[in-house]
Amino acid sequence: GNSVTQMEGPVTLSEEAFLTINCTYTATGYPSLFWYVQYPGEGLQLLLKATKADDKGSNKGFEATYRKETTSFHLEKGSVQVSDSAVYFCALSDHRTGNQFYFGTGTSLTVIP
Amino acid sequence: EAQVTQNPRYLITVTGKKLTVTCSQNMNHEYMSWYRQDPGLGLRQIYYSMNVEVTDKGDVPEGYKVSRKEKRNFPLILESPSPNQTSLYFCASSRDRGEEQPQHFGDGTRLSIL
Repeated sequence: GNSVTQMEGPVTLSEEAFLTINCTYTATGYPSLFWYVQYPGEGLQLLLKATKADDKGSNKGFEATYRKETTSFHLEKGSVQVSDSAVYFCALSDHRTGNQFYFGTGTSLTVIP
Repeated sequence: EAQVTQNPRYLITVTGKKLTVTCSQNMNHEYMSWYRQDPGLGLRQIYYSMNVEVTDKGDVPEGYKVSRKEKRNFPLILESPSPNQTSLYFCASSRDRGEEQPQHFGDGTRLSIL
């Protein structure tokens, strides 16, 4: 079946530090991969996506590369800001086996000045 | 403004009392979905709909019903709520299946079942 595993948090970083949030997946087909971000009291927003192997998604300084060989989609940012404090969710959708979405458990990030 | 609107935002109710959470989108999206968010479990898909009159079960459909009679609306129905359905619920929509289109999420509905 399909599933997503994220590194557990919470993660606390100082401003301008390097961020990595690990995400690995299991899929029976050819999934598309996503990172969503949830700010306090809000719904999720798409941060970036990649739809096939070796694609790199990027947005707002965040990047993630679809690695089929390691079934991973790790989120990275070179220099985090206080405004990046949020919960980050890795997700997959495998349209060949259905139209469901599968989310990881979420990783809470706090950036301190 | 493009948005997904859920109502109510908060609800405290008792076991067995039927309730409906409404969801409406103004973007003419075909795909709509309901999720529940629980600590340590992330988001889990309850039901989704590819278009009017087409609905399918997600990972955790037990105890829930949905309907899609109009494109813009996708209500979530709890016929006989139980305490294990206490959770934060999100409705989402996307232009089509969503594997390449972003899902737009509502602000959430926090349900407490006593």
